Amino acid sequence: AQSVTQLDSHVSVSEGTPVLLRCNYSSSYSPSLFWYVQHPNKGLQLLLKYTSAATLVKGINGFEAEFKKSETSFHLTKPSAHMSDAAEYFCVVSPRQIAGNMLTFGGGTRLMVKP
Amino acid sequence: DAGVIQSPRHEVTEMGQEVTLRCKPISGHNSLFWYRQTMMRGLELLIYFNNNVPIDDSGMPEDRFSAKMPNASFSTLKIQPSEPRDSAVYFCASSPGRGGNNQPQHFGDGTRLSIL
Repeated sequence: AQSVTQLDSHVSVSEGTPVLLRCNYSSSYSPSLFWYVQHPNKGLQLLLKYTSAATLVKGINGFEAEFKKSETSFHLTKPSAHMSDAAEYFCVVSPRQIAGNMLTFGGGTRLMVKP
Repeated sequence: DAGVIQSPRHEVTEMGQEVTLRCKPISGHNSLFWYRQTMMRGLELLIYFNNNVPIDDSGMPEDRFSAKMPNASFSTLKIQPSEPRDSAVYFCASSPGRGGNNQPQHFGDGTRLSIL
C-alpha cells in the first residue's frame, strides 16, 4: 500500500522569496518519487524525479527536492520564486521495483506568487 | 518533438449524447493512461494500456465508459450516454517501456468536457 500527503493545499509567497512545498509519503516498497507541475489549462509536466540515486534531485526551472527516508518526505524547494511559478504542484509516489502502473498522486498544492 | 496530443480540447454537449475523446501518444511509448480531473476528486486514473492491451480498468466509473487502443498511435475514451456528472478534464498520458514505475508519464493538455 502507498499514499501521498501534500501538507498544504495552498501556498502563497512573494516574488523573489523561497518556495517550500511539502510532501510526505508512505509505501510498502522502495519508492520512486516525482513532482509534477500543472499550469492553467495544461497537462501535468514533470519537474523532477527520484528513483534511487542521489537523494538531492535537481529539476527544471530551478526546483529541487530532497528524499529523506527517515522522515518519509520529499519536499520541493526553490530559492527564489518567479511569477511564472504560479501553478498547481503534485507529488507522486510509485513502488520502484514493481512493474505496471501504481502511481499515487497527492491532492496538489496551489502556489500563488505575489508581485 | 510532438508530445501527447488530445482532441478535442473542449467539448460541450447535452446529456444523453455520446462523447468520444481521442489521444495520440508519444511515438515509441508503450504505455498509455487515461485520467479524469475534477475539483472534488482530484486526478483519478481511469484505465491504462500496455502494448495496446488494457491492463487495469478498475478506475472506469461505469459501463457507460469504454476505452480502446486499436494501435500504438491512437486511443479513444468513449462515454455513452453522457451525464452532467461526467463533466471534468480528461487527460491522456504515455510513458516508455512497460509503464514501469521509474518512468515518468508525459501528459497531453487535456479535454475539457462539459455535459449540460
